[in-house]
Amino acid sequence: ETAVFQTPNYHVTQVGNEVSFNCKQTLGHDTMYWYKQDSKKLLKIMFSYNNKQLIVNETVPRRFSPQSSDKAHLNLRIKSVEPEDSAVYLCASSSTERLFFGHGTKLSVL
Amino acid sequence: GEQVEQRPPHLSVREGDSAIIICTYTDSATAYFSWYKQEAGAGLQLLMSVLSNVDRKEEQGLTVLLNKKDKRLSLNLTAAHPGDSAVYFCAVSNNAGAKLTFGGGTRLTVRP
Repeated sequence: ETAVFQTPNYHVTQVGNEVSFNCKQTLGHDTMYWYKQDSKKLLKIMFSYNNKQLIVNETVPRRFSPQSSDKAHLNLRIKSVEPEDSAVYLCASSSTERLFFGHGTKLSVL
Repeated sequence: GEQVEQRPPHLSVREGDSAIIICTYTDSATAYFSWYKQEAGAGLQLLMSVLSNVDRKEEQGLTVLLNKKDKRLSLNLTAAHPGDSAVYFCAVSNNAGAKLTFGGGTRLTVRP
């Protein structure tokens, strides 16, 4: 049963545009994450938020920024997309080591 | 930092055969070990997890083995069926918070 909800499922855009992806979790977890999954399925953590405090930022490019209004929401904004940003972006939440993932947002940059 | 190697990257087996996926890790302080399954177009779902005091765990046709001496973690799917076709990831942490280090994934295909 999905309890981490991501929108949109897909997004196609052009180089230089701004995009924003939404994530909401209904599990009451304190920590949320964004992962990037490339075409080879490799996972890379981008950000994590614990009670609206950024606790991990794995040196991602500055054009990426997480945005959180409360502990149930963690959005991801990309200010000016580049071709290498094409990937699946996975949101997750946790209260322990176990992660609960959303279905992902697939971004295609033309 | 922790490094996790997962192999094989691709695995194809016949229905009813076993499938074995192996991960090796580098940090001897690693204390939490898990396996996730990602079906097409979906996020990852936890299959099984073990702590470092467990060498073997079996659940519903899945066996997780942990060899701390060799820093090796394996997942064995006995009697695989087509519904097991997916990408599998190992993920480990040292229990200091919830930051997991993932392996590179194994795409498993089970042929009828």
